[in-house]
Amino acid sequence: GAGVSQSPSNKVTEKGKDVELRCDPISGHTALYWYRQSLGQGLEFLIYFQGNSAPDKSGLPSDRFSAERTGGSVSTLTIQRTQQEDSAVYLCASSLRRTAGYETQYFGPGTRLLVL
Amino acid sequence: AQKITQTQPGMFVQEKEAVTLDCTYDTSDPSYGLFWYKQPSSGEMIFLIYQGSYDQQNATEGRYSLNFQKARKSANLVISASQLGDSAMYFCAMREVGGGADGLTFGKGTHLIIQP
Repeated sequence: GAGVSQSPSNKVTEKGKDVELRCDPISGHTALYWYRQSLGQGLEFLIYFQGNSAPDKSGLPSDRFSAERTGGSVSTLTIQRTQQEDSAVYLCASSLRRTAGYETQYFGPGTRLLVL
Repeated sequence: AQKITQTQPGMFVQEKEAVTLDCTYDTSDPSYGLFWYKQPSSGEMIFLIYQGSYDQQNATEGRYSLNFQKARKSANLVISASQLGDSAMYFCAMREVGGGADGLTFGKGTHLIIQP
């Protein structure tokens, strides 16, 4: 079956522009997660969705970052007024459900963002 | 304090040898899950193996096994009969059920290189 897909695979933008990153989870997975991977900070959790709601936004680094999920499926991570320190790989993951707490998260290929 | 510690930034191993990648963790939550992921140069995070804090036996998945020592808070990954295709970054991760963020907390990773 299809895994987690993300688009675009690469994005180059200029400082100050807004970007949207898209994640399409595995069909039937109700939990969706965004992570950021950078050389300096390693892998950081950003936000978690259960269905369309985001009970945990604790990892969003600033108010320039926002995310939404519609129809319990596709999610969009938006970064407004991008800064050079936003350059990183943004990874999306999904899991079947979150209730058990032990759910394995399956990752997409990531979006490589470069802010010039 | 770091919740996941991987003390081996890099390792060189001869093909067909077994390799152990170290991971120690820190939590006061009695319920947690431990995960290992592989990230080849292509960038995608590939799930390898999972161990729950209440599991009585060490997890195994093909050539992968997890040496779980709960009292020492250690969850080392063992790869038997290593192959050239095992060359990649390996990340240990934890999710605490009772509290904390909903996402996974990752270690900084070990870069494993298998030599012919």
